[in-house]
Amino acid sequence: AQSVTQPDIHITVSEGASLELRCNYSYGATPYLFWYVQSPGQGLQLLLKYFSGDTLVQGIKGFEAEFKRSQSSFNLRKPSVHWSDAAEYFCAVANFNKFYFGSGTKLNVKP
Amino acid sequence: EAQVTQNPRYLITVTGKKLTVTCSQNMNHEYMSWYRQDPGLGLRQIYYSMNVEVTDKGDVPEGYKVSRKEKRNFPLILESPSPNQTSLYFCASSSLKEAFFGQGTRLTVV
Repeated sequence: AQSVTQPDIHITVSEGASLELRCNYSYGATPYLFWYVQSPGQGLQLLLKYFSGDTLVQGIKGFEAEFKRSQSSFNLRKPSVHWSDAAEYFCAVANFNKFYFGSGTKLNVKP
Repeated sequence: EAQVTQNPRYLITVTGKKLTVTCSQNMNHEYMSWYRQDPGLGLRQIYYSMNVEVTDKGDVPEGYKVSRKEKRNFPLILESPSPNQTSLYFCASSSLKEAFFGQGTRLTVV
């Protein structure tokens, strides 16, 4: 069965520091992988997605993610965090049209 | 512009009073779904529809109904809401390669 694990519930980083949010998935075939961001009171916005090809994927707002099949991981990274990045981040895997989401990681950014 | 519109954004209701949350998409997607979001649980799928008149249960369907009479609309119906259905609800419209989400409906059942 498909599942997504985000082991970190909360993460706090200082503004300007680097960020890595972890995501592990369970899926039988080649996965379609996604990262979404949810700002307070807002819906979900797509940051980036991976289907095939280059395992390092660039997204919006300076985010990138790397697909590692051997580790079943799709971690999200940003080299320098901005205060406006404070939000909740969701990793997801898609099986045809159905999306399976992780439980989310809340990012706090210290000034 | 690709859009999923759900209404209302906020709703407070009493136990047992039937309600409907509407959802509409403009992308001509065949697949639409409803999720609920609860702290620490992420998003869980309630119901989905693969096309007009084709609907099926997701992971947490108890207490909910849906209908899909037109491709663009996919309303969520709570026939007799209970306090454990207090949650944040999202409608989604998706292709194989992306899901688009509405802005969410925060429902409180007292």
